[in-house]
Amino acid sequence: ETVMTQSPATLSVSPGERVTLSCRASQSVRSNLAWYQQKPGQSPRRLIYGASTRGTGIPARFSGSGSGTEFTLTINSLQPEDFAVYYCLQYNDRWTFGQGTKVEI
Amino acid sequence: QVQLVESGGGLVKPGGSLRLSCEVSGFTFTDYYMSWIRQAPGKGLEWISYISSSTGRTIHYADSVKGRFTISRDNAKNSLYLQMNSLRAEDTAVYFCARDGEGPMDVWGKGTTVTVSS
Repeated sequence: ETVMTQSPATLSVSPGERVTLSCRASQSVRSNLAWYQQKPGQSPRRLIYGASTRGTGIPARFSGSGSGTEFTLTINSLQPEDFAVYYCLQYNDRWTFGQGTKVEI
Repeated sequence: QVQLVESGGGLVKPGGSLRLSCEVSGFTFTDYYMSWIRQAPGKGLEWISYISSSTGRTIHYADSVKGRFTISRDNAKNSLYLQMNSLRAEDTAVYFCARDGEGPMDVWGKGTTVTVSS
């Protein structure tokens, strides 16, 4: 099973800042990596797939990069509605999520 | 618009069974892979199963549910199912269904809650 490790577990930031979240795979997942945002009491929302492709309707301030085992989600100019938990998902082999990074004020 | 609505959750005793349903609308169900994902209270997301489009010939499960859970689909009813047997306390979670569009899990339902407790 491919283990996904996200860092940091929690990120304390201020609105307007640039945020970088990391996700590492225990083995190569090529570009089969997606990012999800989840707010309390809500279903997850997909932000990125294919490591770097934004989903429909996702603001341009969200960007993804990486391939193989190292991936990054960057949020430029953090907005108040961006405070949430972010998960990466590898879908190369028997899909697995990372444990999540909480972005808090 | 695209909608996925889960149902069938509830309270069940350890060792019991439950069948979850996910009724979809707003898109051509037969064209899409579908997934089940769960989230234990206060925990992260766990993918548990997916089924391929059309005939559903390709199915995969997470190790944590293999042999106990069965995913299926009824294209005539625009519905996805998850039969859960031999339930354990650790299966307590919110269960989500999701559509696998261009890439995985592009649209999610709101979830249904399963509680396994005596």
